[in-house]
Amino acid sequence: EDKVVQSPLSLVVHEGDTVTLNCSYEVTNFRSLLWYKQEKKAPTFLFMLTSSGIEKKSGRLSSILDKKELFSILNITATQTGDSAIYLCAVVPMEYGNKLVFGAGTILRVKS
Amino acid sequence: EPEVTQTPSHQVTQMGQEVILRCVPISNHLYFYWYRQILGQKVEFLVSFYNNEISEKSEIFDDQFSVERPDGSNFTLKIRSTKLEDSAMYFCASLGKQLFTNFGPGTRLTVT
Repeated sequence: EDKVVQSPLSLVVHEGDTVTLNCSYEVTNFRSLLWYKQEKKAPTFLFMLTSSGIEKKSGRLSSILDKKELFSILNITATQTGDSAIYLCAVVPMEYGNKLVFGAGTILRVKS
Repeated sequence: EPEVTQTPSHQVTQMGQEVILRCVPISNHLYFYWYRQILGQKVEFLVSFYNNEISEKSEIFDDQFSVERPDGSNFTLKIRSTKLEDSAMYFCASLGKQLFTNFGPGTRLTVT
């Protein structure tokens, strides 16, 4: 059975801190790994990773994938209160168009 | 920027009643999905739809559930006889050439 495990489950930091969120996975015929941010409602897309070792970056957020060790990390530097959200990791197994298999998410709270 | 839309945002229904949740996916997308998230739990895959038919469904998607794409734009999820445990946030999603799944804002279904 395909499985995605995220850690930590929750995290409280102060503004300006750097955080690292972890995602490990076991899937059949891995295609890609995606990170989403969920605030009040819909998950919004952050990154899609398909190749090992290539860092994806968007402002203060960055992510990297290790296909040998089957994990990914999401880094957020200089955190702001607006970064408070649930961060979801999801993996796409098998073919294009297939379902996303989600982890439970990491709840991040940034205190001012 | 195009986005997935869903109606209604909140639906309250009595146990045993039928509900129809509606979605308008992004117009040039080819793959459509329904996911659900019970409060405090993981986002779970329900069903995927491609080329006017179901391409995959989960164990949750039993005979009480059905999906339809009645015209070129709408995508609906019907629950025939709702149960208390169907209470959840239901997300519609679509996938196009950009290769990441776009989620709608969700419909919160409350079954009393």
